[in-house]
Amino acid sequence: EAQVTQNPRYLITVTGKKLTVTCSQNMNHEYMSWYRQDPGLGLRQIYYSMNVEVTDKGDVPEGYKVSRKEKRNFPLILESPSPNQTSLYFCASSLVSGSSGELFFGEGSRLTVL
Amino acid sequence: AQSVSQHNHHVILSEAASLELGCNYSYGGTVNLFWYVQYPGQHLQLLLKYFSGDPLVKGIKGFEAEFIKSKFSFNLRKPSVQWSDTAEYFCAVNAPFSGGYNKLIFGAGTRLAVHP
Repeated sequence: EAQVTQNPRYLITVTGKKLTVTCSQNMNHEYMSWYRQDPGLGLRQIYYSMNVEVTDKGDVPEGYKVSRKEKRNFPLILESPSPNQTSLYFCASSLVSGSSGELFFGEGSRLTVL
Repeated sequence: AQSVSQHNHHVILSEAASLELGCNYSYGGTVNLFWYVQYPGQHLQLLLKYFSGDPLVKGIKGFEAEFIKSKFSFNLRKPSVQWSDTAEYFCAVNAPFSGGYNKLIFGAGTRLAVHP
């Protein structure tokens, strides 16, 4: 089954404790992206990657890091989480070549930073 | 900068009522247009999309949307809503991006609550 898988789905942590949210897709998509969803703000892009070893900042990259060492994986790293990073996070992927821009989303990871 | 505006943040309807959710975008070039739906506790799923051709597109679950280029609009409609349509709806537009990839820009979303 074609899917984007995120882990963990739910996480409560404390300020400053490094964490990683993993994302994996099995569709051989070149493009992957992380969004955060906050009430009244819709989805805002954090980082994206157009292919292996190619990453770039989205609209709200502060406080986040990503890596793309393999095509299928695109982890989101919070080196020192802060309460304003409490949010619902979505990983998404898409083809690039000839792509319309349609995204396939993971189930979401709800993060609470105390 | 490109942006997407969804006029209604919250909509409450009774079952069988008709639905229209507004979406306007600010970009003058060629765009692809999408509506995504997020049911409570779930991820976003594609409802329908417009690339070219007939500006009236039909999606899943009886939804349709009309692209009006002169108004930069892509409004979502459904003639008769059901309780199961309770969800959050996101309009999204992709527009040319300097890196050659079409970036998807989302509106803030509209929460729809349908009462039995």
